[in-house]
Amino acid sequence: GDSVTQMEGPVTLSEEAFLTINCTYTATGYPSLFWYVQYPGEGLQLLLKATKADDKGSNKGFEATYRKETTSFHLEKGSVQVSDSAVYFCALSDSGANNLFFGTGTRLTVIP
Amino acid sequence: GAGVSQTPSNKVTEKGKYVELRCDPISGHTALYWYRQSLGQGPEFLIYFQGTGAADDSGLPNDRFFAVRPEGSVSTLKIQRTERGDSAVYLCASSLGTETDTQYFGPGTRLTVL
Repeated sequence: GDSVTQMEGPVTLSEEAFLTINCTYTATGYPSLFWYVQYPGEGLQLLLKATKADDKGSNKGFEATYRKETTSFHLEKGSVQVSDSAVYFCALSDSGANNLFFGTGTRLTVIP
Repeated sequence: GAGVSQTPSNKVTEKGKYVELRCDPISGHTALYWYRQSLGQGPEFLIYFQGTGAADDSGLPNDRFFAVRPEGSVSTLKIQRTERGDSAVYLCASSLGTETDTQYFGPGTRLTVL
């Protein structure tokens, strides 16, 4: 079945540090891959997505590349800010299906 | 424009009671989803509507859970004979309808069963 395995947190970084949050997946078809973010006190919102192998999703300085050979979709940012403190969820939607499978989430705290 | 809204934002009930949770999707979105998020976990899929019909209800945990969307817009998630294990945040999302369309999430309803 479909599943997402996500790097466990919490992760604490200093401002301007490099961020990587690992995500690997298992899917029966050809999934689309997503990163969602949940800021404190807010609802889930889409951060970026990639719909096919080798696609790179990017938004707000974050990037993730769909790697079919390693079944991965790691989230990266070159220089984090305090405002990036949030919980990040990796998710997939398998081909022919509409629902999302989520990882358990990684809490990121960025300190000044 | 308005996003997905959910009411109530918080619901506290007693074990064995019946509850209804409401979701108002983004206008024009034909697809509507319900998810459940337990503490420290990612959201888990419950049910997906395309228009008025439930296209996939494979995530509903048992027959105490039921959802409707009679006019293809607002949806209600109904839980009968609530149990303490039903305590979670119930999330609703909507999208334009194809599998690659972005799902937009509401703020959720936090259900606590005492």
